[in-house]
Order: sequence, then C-alpha cells, then structure tokens
Amino acid sequence: GNSVTQMEGPVTLSEEAFLTINCTYTATGYPSLFWYVQYPGEGLQLLLKATKADDKGSNKGFEATYRKETTSFHLEKGSVQVSDSAVYFCALSDPTSGTYKYIFGTGTRLKVLA
Amino acid sequence: SAVISQKPSRDICQRGTSLTIQCQVDSQVTMMFWYRQQPGQSLTLIATANQGSEATYESGFVIDKFPISRPNLTFSTLTVSNMSPEDSSIYLCSVVAGSGGNQPQHFGDGTRLSIL
Repeated sequence: GNSVTQMEGPVTLSEEAFLTINCTYTATGYPSLFWYVQYPGEGLQLLLKATKADDKGSNKGFEATYRKETTSFHLEKGSVQVSDSAVYFCALSDPTSGTYKYIFGTGTRLKVLA
Repeated sequence: SAVISQKPSRDICQRGTSLTIQCQVDSQVTMMFWYRQQPGQSLTLIATANQGSEATYESGFVIDKFPISRPNLTFSTLTVSNMSPEDSSIYLCSVVAGSGGNQPQHFGDGTRLSIL
C-alpha cells in the first residue's frame, strides 16, 4: 500500500540557516505530493504541491521537487526565519483512486531560534 | 481556495457527554473529510462525508461514536459521542475544492477538545 516516511523531529535551527526536511514515499502509480504547515493553535495550510515527476512546488521561499527515481519530495528553504517555526507534514494522494484521500507523514516539528 | 470555518474552536467537556462540531465552507464542495489529531501526532482520517450519501468511516471509527451529517454542499457536522479522556484531540474538517484528481485538501483551523 501507499505510505509516507518523514524525517523525525524536532529540528532546531538558527535563523538564516538552510532547512531540509526529508520525505520519501511508496506508492503504486503516480501520486500527487503535498507539503502542509501547521502553526501553533491552527489547522493545516497547504504550503506547496507537485503532481508529476520533476515538478517543483514552491511557496514563501520553500521548495520541493517530485523525484520519482528516488521516490522523494524533500522540503527545502534557503534561509529560515523564526516565523517558520511550525510542524510540517508531507502527504500523498492517489488521483486515480477517486477518493482524494491523503496518506500523511508523521510530521516534523521545526524550531527556529533567533 | 475554499474558506472553512469550524465551531467551536475549543471546548472542555465532561466525560460521558457529546459534542457536535460544525464545519461551514464558503463554497459548494462535494468531498469533505473529518480528521482526528491526537496530541503531538499526525492526522488520522475518521470519515469521508459526501453530500447525498452516507459517510464512509475508516477502520477503527464507527458511526455510533462519530455520527456525521452532511445536509448540503457547504456544511457538515461531526458529533463525538459519550466522550472519554481518550477523545481529547484536535478535530479537523477538510474539503476538496474544484475538480480534477490533483486538487489539494483545504483545512479548517480545527476544534481543540479536552475531556475531563
């Protein structure tokens, strides 16, 4: 079955450091891939998405590239800010299933220190 | 993207009671989902609620414990019945807006529920 494996947290970085949060997946077919962010006390916000191999999703300085050869969708940001402190979730869905259901990773908590 | 309002945003309840959570969307959507997020955990899908049909529950969740209504294309409710401390979680609704298999889900801010 489909699954998502996300790097364990928490990740603690200093402001302006480079961020990578690893996400790998197993899936039959060609899933769509998503990154969501959850700020304290809030719901999930869509950060970026990619729907086919080699697509790069980007938003607010974050990027992730859909790598089919390595079944990965790692989240990166060149210079993090304190305001990026949140929990980040990687997720996949199978667009051919017709259900729009997600498989979520376990979430990675990021703490950015000033 | 759709704007989703959830009520209440948080509540503290006594064990044995029930609470109904509302999810209102600013546009008509076919697919709506209810999730549970236990403290420090990822999201677990409770059920899919499509208008015009009975909700479809995931393994480990039953209608008697989590009855769901979906009276129209902009509204749904989830009831947490006969609550116990183990039900203390964040409950979130999400929707898929638009058509096409690659559309993302959009989430409400969640309902933070504590059971004493």
